[in-house]
Amino acid sequence: DVVMTQSPLSLPVTLGQPASISCRSSQSLVYSDGNTYLNWFQQRPGQSPRRLIYRVSNRDSGVPDRFSGSGSGTDFTLKISRVEAEDIGVYYCMQGSHWPYTFGQGTKLEIK
Amino acid sequence: EVQLMESGGVLVQPGGSLRLSCAASGFSFSTYWMNWVRQTPGKGLVWVSIINPDGTKIGYADSVKGRFTISRDNAMNTVYLQMNSLRVDDTGVYYCARDIAGSPENWGQGTLVTVSS
Repeated sequence: DVVMTQSPLSLPVTLGQPASISCRSSQSLVYSDGNTYLNWFQQRPGQSPRRLIYRVSNRDSGVPDRFSGSGSGTDFTLKISRVEAEDIGVYYCMQGSHWPYTFGQGTKLEIK
Repeated sequence: EVQLMESGGVLVQPGGSLRLSCAASGFSFSTYWMNWVRQTPGKGLVWVSIINPDGTKIGYADSVKGRFTISRDNAMNTVYLQMNSLRVDDTGVYYCARDIAGSPENWGQGTLVTVSS
C-alpha cells in the first residue's frame, strides 16, 4: 500500500499568517492516464470531512482561494495564504492513484 | 443538493455482522463510483471500499478484505456495506462518499459502529 506521510502533525498558526502542510507518498502518484490523484481534505471539529483540493491543485467549488495545492510525483503541499478562524481543524492528504486509497495521518491546525 | 444519509450503525459483539446503508439523493446515483471511509474515535481516516456505477469493479482495504462486502442498488439509490466477522478495531464512524475526479468529494454525516463485548 502507498504510505502517505504528513508534516507537521500539529500546526499552531497566528490569525492572518500563512500556513503550509507537507505530504509525501511512498511511491509516485502519477497514474497511467497521466493524472496525479492527490487530494486534500479539511475536517472541522464535529463535522464530516470536506474535500478542498483534488488532483494536486484544483480547488473544489466554494473553497476560498486562500487555499492552494501544489507538488508532483511524491511531494505535495497545501498552503493557506492567510489563516482565518474558520480554518481550524484537521487536514488530510489522500492518494487515489493506487488501490487501496490511503490517507495521511492528519495535521491539526490550531490558532496560537 | 447532493445528500448522503448513512444508517445501520449499532453496538455489536465481536464476531457479529452488520449491514450499513447509504441513501443518496440530489444527483444521478447510477453514474457515480461510491466509497465507504471509516474514522476511528479520535483518530484519522481510513478508506474501506469502493464500487463503480454498475457494481462490476470493487476495491477493499486489506484490513476488511474477505470480511466486508460492498454492493449497490441503483433503483433504490443506495449503497451498502455488509460487515461480517466484526472486530473491536472495526469500531468507528462510517461515512459514505461520492467519488468525483478520483476521490471522495461529497460525504454523509456518518453512522457509528461500535464493536464491543
